[in-house]
This record gives sequence, C-alpha cells and structure tokens, in this order.
Amino acid sequence: DIQMTQSPSSLSASVGDRVTITCRASQSINNYLNWYQQKPGKAPKLLIYAASSLQSGVPSRFSGSGSGTDFTLTINSLQSEDFATYHCQQSYSTPWTFGQGTKVDIK
Amino acid sequence: QVQLQQWGAGLLKPSETLSLTCAVYGGSFSGYYWSWIRQPPGKGLEWIGEVNHGESTNYNPSLKSRVTISVATSKNQISLKLTSVTAADTAVYYCARFRWANNGYSFDYWGQGALVTVSS
Repeated sequence: DIQMTQSPSSLSASVGDRVTITCRASQSINNYLNWYQQKPGKAPKLLIYAASSLQSGVPSRFSGSGSGTDFTLTINSLQSEDFATYHCQQSYSTPWTFGQGTKVDIK
Repeated sequence: QVQLQQWGAGLLKPSETLSLTCAVYGGSFSGYYWSWIRQPPGKGLEWIGEVNHGESTNYNPSLKSRVTISVATSKNQISLKLTSVTAADTAVYYCARFRWANNGYSFDYWGQGALVTVSS
C-alpha cells in the first residue's frame, strides 16, 4: 500500500493568513493526488484533483502543487469558512489511501 | 445535480453483518466506479472497495475477506456488506463516486454518511 503522510497534523491560523499543508507519498505517484476539505459531521468535499486542478465551484484561494512524492495545498487569505480538516488522497494505485488529515483551527 | 443517499442499520452486535445501501440520483450511473469509504470516530479515511455498473469490483486487501460490494444497475444503487463485525468496525461509512478528469481519478460526489456502531 502507498502510505500518505500529512504535516502538520494540526495548525492554528487567523483569518487572512496564508496556510500551507504538505502531503508526502511513500513512493512516486506522479500527479495522482487529491485534496479534500471536511467539516465536522459532514462528508469530505473535493477541492483539488490531479495535484493542481481546482474542482468546479471551489474558490481560487485554494491551490495545489507538486508531483512525484511531495505535494502542497495552499490556502491564500484564509476565510472563516475554511476552518476544517484537510485530507490528501492518492489515486495512483489501489488500495486508494488517504493521509491522516490536517486540522486547521482558529488561532 | 448528482446526489448520493445512504441508509442501513446503525447499531450492530459483534459478529453480525453490516449492511448499507447507497442510491444515486441525477447524472450517469454507468461509466463510473462507486466506492465505500469509512472513518472511525476522530480518525482518518479508509477506502473499503469499489464497484462499477458491470459488477467489476476492487477491495482493500485489509478487509477483502469480509467485504462484498454489489450493484443494482436498474435501481442506480450500490450496497455494502461487511461480515463478522467488531468494535473496530465502528465508523461513519460513506459512499462516493470515483471519476476520471484531467488525467486523474478523484472522489467528486459523496453520500451524507452513516454512523455504524458495533457494541454488545
């Protein structure tokens, strides 16, 4: 199985901050990396697919980059509605696997 | 607009069989893989397995011996059965659509989730 490791596990930030979350794969996954946002009691929501493509309807302050084993999710100018948990997921090979999640909360 | 609606028993005893169904409304049912994913309380997401309209399946090896995922194409529904459950199977279970776009697969639509608790 491909292991996905996110860092940090949690972070505190303020509205307007720029936030960066990283995800590392245990082997190269090309650009087969997705990012999801999850709020308490809700299903995950797709933000970024294929490492850097913005899902329809997702604000442009969200962006993704990386290839191979190292990937980054960036949130420019954090908004109040962005406080949530973020998950990365590889779609290179089955079993599809997720990172452990990064919780972004209010400083 | 695509919607996924899930239902099934929420409280099970150890050794019983978990059974959940997910109905897909709107959009195309064929041409996609449909997955089950679970999330234990306070933990990360775990992919359980997937099925397409042609009944082709893939399972997570960690659960393969206990899992069956099936499809009812005429009803646009998929189902999950997990046998011999234990407390470790307590989780919120989601169904989700797996789609291909821009040279990558991703889960773009999700059900609302169903909490399944295993307790004696």
